[in-house]
Amino acid sequence: QVQLVQSGAEVKKPGASVKVSCKASGYTFTDYYIHWVRQAPGQGLEWVGRIKPSSGGTNSAQKFQGRVTMTGDTSISTAYMELNRLTSDDTAIYYCARGSGVTVAGLIHSWLDPWGQGTLVTVSS
Amino acid sequence: DIVMTQSPDSLAVSLGERATINCKSSQSVLYSSNNKNYLAWYQQKPGQPPKLLIYWASTRESGVPDRFSGSGSGTDFTLTISSLQAEDVAVYYCQQYYNSPLTFGGGTTVEIK
Repeated sequence: QVQLVQSGAEVKKPGASVKVSCKASGYTFTDYYIHWVRQAPGQGLEWVGRIKPSSGGTNSAQKFQGRVTMTGDTSISTAYMELNRLTSDDTAIYYCARGSGVTVAGLIHSWLDPWGQGTLVTVSS
Repeated sequence: DIVMTQSPDSLAVSLGERATINCKSSQSVLYSSNNKNYLAWYQQKPGQPPKLLIYWASTRESGVPDRFSGSGSGTDFTLTISSLQAEDVAVYYCQQYYNSPLTFGGGTTVEIK
């Protein structure tokens, strides 16, 4: 079955960086986008960005641009999200999710299914 | 960015009764070229990641019970649970995929009365 398995919880100090991994199985990794979504404690869902594993092309939400790097290793079907210059506001569960949907006139339209189990990133001094 | 607004924030429904959740987008998510609404619904139980329930506003994901249904078009959408079961206690989110960035509603918590 299609599955995304993420790396374990992280505790970081303000100003540091964190890199979360997401290993895909059960489908052809290069056929689908991988999206990253975060959820602060007790809060809703916030889209961080996406990567097209076949090309390495990425798009991210404006608030994360310049601070987030998304990469993929097709040889091991794994996507990565690195977030720099962490602050306490970055404390959240970070999810990866496979994007399904359509491409129309070069624009990607994705719902997300399935999701990884989530990685808790805690930023604290 | 398209703003997604859900209502109510929470609701308590008796077992076997109907639960209705609303989602409103700040602009239409109906794509005229294919007449499809670019809206999805998710269920998130405590301690779990979100789970896809519905896409294209009304298409149930495989394996989702038929008591879940989605309706609406343009800017106004509804998720209905026709007969609430104990296992449906969760937070429900709508999401638009009409354009980037993907945006989610604030969530609606469904509880048992």
